[in-house]
Amino acid sequence: QQQVKQSPQSLIVQKGGISIINCAYENTAFDYFPWYQQFPGKGPALLIAIRPDVSEKKEGRFTISFNKSAKQFSLHIMDSQPGDSATYFCAATATYGGSQGNLIFGKGTKLSVKP
Amino acid sequence: DAGVTQSPTHLIKTRGQHVTLRCSPISGHKSVSWYQQVLGQGPQFIFQYYEKEERGRGNFPDRFSARQFPNYSSELNVNALLLGDSALYLCASSWGQGAGGYTFGSGTRLTVV
Repeated sequence: QQQVKQSPQSLIVQKGGISIINCAYENTAFDYFPWYQQFPGKGPALLIAIRPDVSEKKEGRFTISFNKSAKQFSLHIMDSQPGDSATYFCAATATYGGSQGNLIFGKGTKLSVKP
Repeated sequence: DAGVTQSPTHLIKTRGQHVTLRCSPISGHKSVSWYQQVLGQGPQFIFQYYEKEERGRGNFPDRFSARQFPNYSSELNVNALLLGDSALYLCASSWGQGAGGYTFGSGTRLTVV
């Protein structure tokens, strides 16, 4: 069964700290792994994404680490700020073949950054 | 530039009724997907349309249907509403068929009573 497992369910971090959210997947056909940020009352917004040909991608304070052999990937938020408080979703899909456009989402991590 | 726009933003329906949700993609985007997000869960894929043709369907009953118009806007229809259909319905658009670069709208909050 296609699944993406996300942990932890919730996370509390002090301002300036590092937030780390982990995801694991099963389907080896997945080749696109985005992270979305969602604020209450809004739709998910794409933060950063990675493909399995690289092990790390960094954009500003956000970094994805990817471990193809372990079928795991993680989001690191450096210097976490109160404005980062939101729910974060990892997702995965195969961009070729019949499942194009079918993003499989994790269950989400509610991040709270304390001032 | 306008993002993905969805209407209405909120809707209350009674069990057994029918509902139509609407989505206008970002200008130039030809692919539209629909997702259902139940409170406290991640979005779940319902449909994808590309160039006005259905290109994918998630594990939802036949009560759910959709279509895409020549201007690439889309409608999601749900018949015989159940209490369990209460959720945030999200529309996402992309220029191509692959899921990369999907932009989501703010959604329609549907409450079935």
